[in-house]
Amino acid sequence: DAKTTQPNSMESNEEEPVHLPCNHSTISGTDYIHWYRQLPSQGPEYVIHGLTSNVNNRMASLAIAEDRKSSTLILHRATLRDAAVYYCILRDVAGNQFYFGTGTSLTVIP
Amino acid sequence: DAGVIQSPRHEVTEMGQEVTLRCKPISGHNSLFWYRQTMMRGLELLIYFNNNVPIDDSGMPEDRFSAKMPNASFSTLKIQPSEPRDSAVYFCASSFWGGDGEQFFGPGTRLTVL
Repeated sequence: DAKTTQPNSMESNEEEPVHLPCNHSTISGTDYIHWYRQLPSQGPEYVIHGLTSNVNNRMASLAIAEDRKSSTLILHRATLRDAAVYYCILRDVAGNQFYFGTGTSLTVIP
Repeated sequence: DAGVIQSPRHEVTEMGQEVTLRCKPISGHNSLFWYRQTMMRGLELLIYFNNNVPIDDSGMPEDRFSAKMPNASFSTLKIQPSEPRDSAVYFCASSFWGGDGEQFFGPGTRLTVL
């Protein structure tokens, strides 16, 4: 299974944009890039996913490098409620299982 | 829909006892996943089912762990006998196989084995 690499932790000021990086140098052509986050004492929740093109939704934006070896999750204005562990996951289109890495723990500073 | 439902939310048991965790997936979903989360090992996929059939159980730590899905609306994860190292939060998730792969997680069961 393709692996992802993320920084262990990041900090952001409230109401500032946050760019969370993810490296996936061994990604295959059929791997989707998924982002989930886990708030304290809760199960993970879906944030966004994409294949090749950049994606936007109400929660965030996903910027995917042209060679697909890296991606960036963008929170446009961080709030205190965005403090969570963010996971970048690769999913093969033929399967639907996830293998979570260690994620990035995001701290939002008031 | 109420989302993925797990029970119990908390379980405290003694070493050697049998533990059964329960999960009700979102109606209409045909894939179900069991995960375990600890500080040391993070979030691990234990087993997953498609259309009630176990597809990959390579993440199940040992024979003490077993999972069943007798129908589309119910699954169990059983540990027998339980050991202190099984203490963790166990999550169940469901998704629609063939869709975009989005998984919906339950609130988890916090298991403590004394």
